Amino acid sequence: TQLLEQSPQFLSIQEGENLTVYCNSSSVFSSLQWYRQEPGEGPVLLVTVVTGGEVKKLKRLTFQFGDARKDSSLHITAAQPGDTGLYLCAGAQGFTGNQFYFGTGTSLTVIP
Amino acid sequence: NAGVTQTPKFQVLKTGQSMTLQCAQDMNHEYMSWYRQDPGMGLRLIHYSVGAGITDQGEVPNGYNVSRSTTEDFPLRLLSAAPSQTSVYFCASRTVTGGTDTQYFGPGTRLTVL
Repeated sequence: TQLLEQSPQFLSIQEGENLTVYCNSSSVFSSLQWYRQEPGEGPVLLVTVVTGGEVKKLKRLTFQFGDARKDSSLHITAAQPGDTGLYLCAGAQGFTGNQFYFGTGTSLTVIP
Repeated sequence: NAGVTQTPKFQVLKTGQSMTLQCAQDMNHEYMSWYRQDPGMGLRLIHYSVGAGITDQGEVPNGYNVSRSTTEDFPLRLLSAAPSQTSVYFCASRTVTGGTDTQYFGPGTRLTVL
């Protein structure tokens, strides 16, 4: 059973379009992270959100943590080919918040 | 500053063989973790450590051992390899500084068990 469900699983869009990726759970997380992973490489951290309702922006990427800290979204404005990759969300649980549970990922392809 | 390094990059084992995946970080981070990544499953936590001498089990610990004798190194041992352990293994180090939580991943070890 996957603790974090991501949707959509695959997304193929044209350059310049907007998109949103969702990360949902029935469990509460102390924090939530978003990563991007290129083929053959390790995931690279994009952002960590900690407070329910928190919104963080990283250039054209907007991240939101749900009020109840059970879900999150990633919105990309005016997607570019360089945004292509696997996007992963990860929620922290455990007494010290050291156990991270990853979603299954969203594979994004941006077509020039 | 090399970040998180992993060796080997590729490995093929026969069922029943043992081996150690090496992981090192040069950022003086307290926290280190091992994950495995399988198609359609995302990354799953195997073991983690909150400091030298302290380790704990993650989501899928069976068949793996870890130890943390120094801050820098966190090796993962496969005791008796099984085909179900064919996967890509990632080591990560993590720091929580000034309220900012950052986790860095190594490049991965691609393991095939025949």
